[in-house]
Amino acid sequence: EVHLVESGGGLVQPGRSLRLSCAASGFTFEDFAMHWVRQVPGKGLEWVSSISWNSAGRGYAASVEGRFIISRDNAKNSLFLQMNSLRPEDTALYYCAKDGGGGYDSSGYGWGSWGQGSLVTVST
Amino acid sequence: SYELTQPPSVSVAPGKTARIPCGGHNIGNKPVHWYQQRPGQAPVLAIYYDKDRPSGIPERFSGSNSGNTATLTISRVEAGDEADYYCQVWDGSSDHWVFGGGTKLTVL
Repeated sequence: EVHLVESGGGLVQPGRSLRLSCAASGFTFEDFAMHWVRQVPGKGLEWVSSISWNSAGRGYAASVEGRFIISRDNAKNSLFLQMNSLRPEDTALYYCAKDGGGGYDSSGYGWGSWGQGSLVTVST
Repeated sequence: SYELTQPPSVSVAPGKTARIPCGGHNIGNKPVHWYQQRPGQAPVLAIYYDKDRPSGIPERFSGSNSGNTATLTISRVEAGDEADYYCQVWDGSSDHWVFGGGTKLTVL
């Protein structure tokens, strides 16, 4: 059974940094693209970033481009999101999700597994 | 940037059919995925590539996509189907994934 567990969230001041992790199990992690999605409580889903199976392809939403960095460690079955220069509007529940294919773009498989999320609060 | 438009809410009586539209320019040319999110839970993939169902999703769930509208159809609606539903596409022009704003399905 696929299992995704996010960690690393918390309360952080504006302008500071935070690193989210997503521990994966139950599948061959190195074969699949992975994604980060965030959701402000009570609001809709917002795509944040994606990475291909071999890290060769990465994409970012305009709202985080230049501030966030996605990475993965296939040897450790882990996905990361380094979040720098955090802003109050980055406050949200952050989910990691597994793609059904290896490329991060134009996947025809959808994102079949999601973690339960890690809450990030940016505030003074 | 590419936009997906969903109605904020759809209401349906138990046993009836719910149709949730997702509008976008020439969306019929793009694979569309649908997610179900029950209150307090993570999203679940309900339909992928316009009309395919992942294992574990009831046959009551189906999808279609043509022209400027993709549609998620839920037949014989049950109380447990009450949730938020999101459509999703890849926008090759901006190299971004895009979600619709979500539709809250209420079972009367």
